[in-house]
Amino acid sequence: DGGITQSPKYLFRKEGQNVTLSCEQNLNHDAMYWYRQDPGQGLRLIYYSQIVNDFQKGDIAEGYSVSREKKESFPLTVTSAQKNPTAFYLCASRVAGAETQYFGPGTRLLVL
Amino acid sequence: QQQVKQSPQSLIVQKGGISIINCAYENTAFDYFPWYQQFPGKGPALLIAIRPDVSEKKEGRFTISFNKSAKQFSLHIMDSQPGDSATYFCAASRGTSGSRLTFGEGTQLTVNP
Repeated sequence: DGGITQSPKYLFRKEGQNVTLSCEQNLNHDAMYWYRQDPGQGLRLIYYSQIVNDFQKGDIAEGYSVSREKKESFPLTVTSAQKNPTAFYLCASRVAGAETQYFGPGTRLLVL
Repeated sequence: QQQVKQSPQSLIVQKGGISIINCAYENTAFDYFPWYQQFPGKGPALLIAIRPDVSEKKEGRFTISFNKSAKQFSLHIMDSQPGDSATYFCAASRGTSGSRLTFGEGTQLTVNP
């Protein structure tokens, strides 16, 4: 089965703790994206990467970090600097030359 | 310049009716306008998309109408069904920006049986 997997489905963070959200795709897509979704709001772009070992900040990058060491993987770390991390996090990917982004099932992050 | 405004925030229609959701954008450099459908607890899925060189695109019961001069586009769902109940997002991007999508705020559609 080809697709985008995100794990875990639910994640709990304690105060001062960094947590890492996983995003893996086996679609051979070149570009990958991380979005944050809050209730009643649209999706907001955190980071994106168009090729391996390169990534750019989106609109709300503060308090987050990413890496892109492999084409199929784009993990997102929510650092302790992100003071309001509770949200639904969505990973997406896109093949080079096409516009359509395909989304994973999401990870819901909750603060204890 | 990067905003996409979506309305209404919520919409209730009867089964068999027409659902209409509207979006307006500011950045004239946008050249790709998708609509996504999202069910609770799931990731969004592409429903239909349009480019500004056409004024309308239809796929089954779903139609996008595009007005380039007004910088507006809308989603029409004909013969709405209870299974269409979901949140719908419009979005826009321009090809030279790495296809960064700018999303509207979303519309929660409820179709009553």
